[in-house]
Amino acid sequence: AQKVTQAQTEISVVEKEDVTLDCVYETRDTTYYLFWYKQPPSGELVFLIRRNSFDEQNEISGRYSWNFQKSTSSFNFTITASQVVDSAVYFCALSEVYGDMRFGAGTRLTVKP
Amino acid sequence: GAVVSQHPSRVICKSGTSVKIECRSLDFQATTMFWYRQFPKQSLMLMATSNEGSKATYEQGVEKDKFLINHASLTLSTLTVTSAHPEDSSFYICSARRSAGWDNEQFFGPGTRLTVL
Repeated sequence: AQKVTQAQTEISVVEKEDVTLDCVYETRDTTYYLFWYKQPPSGELVFLIRRNSFDEQNEISGRYSWNFQKSTSSFNFTITASQVVDSAVYFCALSEVYGDMRFGAGTRLTVKP
Repeated sequence: GAVVSQHPSRVICKSGTSVKIECRSLDFQATTMFWYRQFPKQSLMLMATSNEGSKATYEQGVEKDKFLINHASLTLSTLTVTSAHPEDSSFYICSARRSAGWDNEQFFGPGTRLTVL
């Protein structure tokens, strides 16, 4: 069965600091998808990224970057120069092909001005 | 991008009543839809998976007689919470999968906040 672990329950940083959110996953499948979502106080999930298991290239999108390492089953998310608007709960998720999506426990990020 | 809507966005009801939540894929057909429940300060937990035209598959611990799911068309799934009680108060989120193939892309609705008094 698939499992996603986000060991960091809460993180607090000061604006402009860099912050990395950790995600470790377990799956028996060789083909799978990994995701990151942002959930602001409104509750609506905001899609950030999807990565399939065959693509280990790191990705950068503005201040966001993702590091996917199959060797350590990790898919970490870094926010560079954090801003107050980045405050939210961030979820890492895993989906096997034809399967449902399983979420980690989430990391609550607070960025203080 | 693909859009999924949920209605209502917020509902308050009395204990013992039933509540229906709709999930619609607005610009694509969804062969599979998923229902999640999220309690305050917790993660999203999958409740059930529904495929169009067939019975839903419920996760362990989810009462199928209490949470009735109907997926009668490729664009609509409904979740009915029957005889709701205060412990059913939660945030319910649906998602729709556009294709059963390699793409495996899911799109989430904005969620429905249920409060049972």
